[in-house]
Amino acid sequence: NAGVTQTPKFRILKIGQSMTLQCTQDMNHNYMYWYRQDPGMGLKLIYYSVGAGITDKGEVPNGYNVSRSTTEDFPLRLELAAPSQTSVYFCASSLLGGNTIYFGEGSWLTVV
Amino acid sequence: AQKITQTQPGMFVQEKEAVTLDCTYDTSDPSYGLFWYKQPSSGEMIFLIYQGSYDQQNATEGRYSLNFQKARKSANLVISASQLGDSAMYFCAMRLNTNAGKSTFGDGTTLTVKP
Repeated sequence: NAGVTQTPKFRILKIGQSMTLQCTQDMNHNYMYWYRQDPGMGLKLIYYSVGAGITDKGEVPNGYNVSRSTTEDFPLRLELAAPSQTSVYFCASSLLGGNTIYFGEGSWLTVV
Repeated sequence: AQKITQTQPGMFVQEKEAVTLDCTYDTSDPSYGLFWYKQPSSGEMIFLIYQGSYDQQNATEGRYSLNFQKARKSANLVISASQLGDSAMYFCAMRLNTNAGKSTFGDGTTLTVKP
């Protein structure tokens, strides 16, 4: 069972570079999320989507963009990477009213 | 805006004993869900237990139970018969049912189980 798959698992970026974190879920969930987790801290919501074509900002959206062209995919784009974006990124999905939020394995991003 | 507070940055428990991890939440929305996740040192997020705001009984999943006190806005996690493998970071989270995109996590509690 694939669940939520995110790639890459590890990436080192130089300041000013751009990249896209990919996220795919095969559970037909309508809700998808991107979180970041800084060392020793909890998860902060970056963006979320309630369905294809609909996205909205979370707590910490600056420096990021998302799109949701299909139910399955929810990529996160980092434009002009900054050291402050060094973090672990988690993609997640859930059903409306569902009792579980399913997480990907995380993507470790370092900006140098 | 909703908020989750976990006041215990770190906790220690002896193996085979029970431990309670505290979580308080704040929301004016009457319909919400509360979650607990475990994050071991390997980094993945492992779902433990869920409590709906309208559930009449406290949720239980094996050795995990959730002590839900709605009037106090608390959702404490109780782990019975602690095992060495329970050593991890534990996160409490809340998701509003009226806006399920708005999910909020606490800062976590690091639990260490001593042999």
